[in-house]
Amino acid sequence: DVKVTQSSRYLVKRTGEKVFLECVQDMDHENMFWYRQDPGLGLRLIYFSYDVKMKEKGDIPEGYSVSREKKERFSLILESASTNQTSMYLCASSLGPRTDTQYFGPGTRLTVL
Amino acid sequence: GQNIDQPTEMTATEGAIVQINCTYQTSGFNGLFWYQQHAGEAPTFLSYNVLDGLEEKGRFSSFLSRSKGYSYLLLKELQMKDSASYLCAVRDTDKLIFGTGTRLQVFP
Repeated sequence: DVKVTQSSRYLVKRTGEKVFLECVQDMDHENMFWYRQDPGLGLRLIYFSYDVKMKEKGDIPEGYSVSREKKERFSLILESASTNQTSMYLCASSLGPRTDTQYFGPGTRLTVL
Repeated sequence: GQNIDQPTEMTATEGAIVQINCTYQTSGFNGLFWYQQHAGEAPTFLSYNVLDGLEEKGRFSSFLSRSKGYSYLLLKELQMKDSASYLCAVRDTDKLIFGTGTRLQVFP
């Protein structure tokens, strides 16, 4: 079974704080993704990575950055958290191309006060 | 442009059959996924269609018509545990585009 884990299920931060969300997958997948999920807007892609140290912007990268130093780990960074970044953040991985079946982590519900 | 439409909410009774529709408009099309997401949990893969027709997998079936830009997920013999959101996602050339999901509530 593919397992994707995220460092926290719930996180509360203050405006302006730097926030790190960690994601680890154990299936040697090439591709990893970060989405945010908001009511009425569905899943929106923030960033993805197709190899170690490689990253590409998704549809809504503003205010975020990412890091992939190891194949199994993909981190999402909010340099200076803002209230409009309050959301559910989902990490996913896939073996094949970007459009291959994606396997999701349990999500991190981030609240920025 | 790219657009995926699903009903926002549906309700059904335990033991019944429900059909969740998804229509899409994309510049390229390479296949369509259905995912199930229980409240507060990760989306999990249900089905994938790339050719026209019906794919059956136990109580769940998924249908695709590429000419009509249309898919549906059919759930038979509904159980309470089927209460969840169902996400339609389209492979458009080099990206995966998700619909906003349909929240299904199953009542006894």
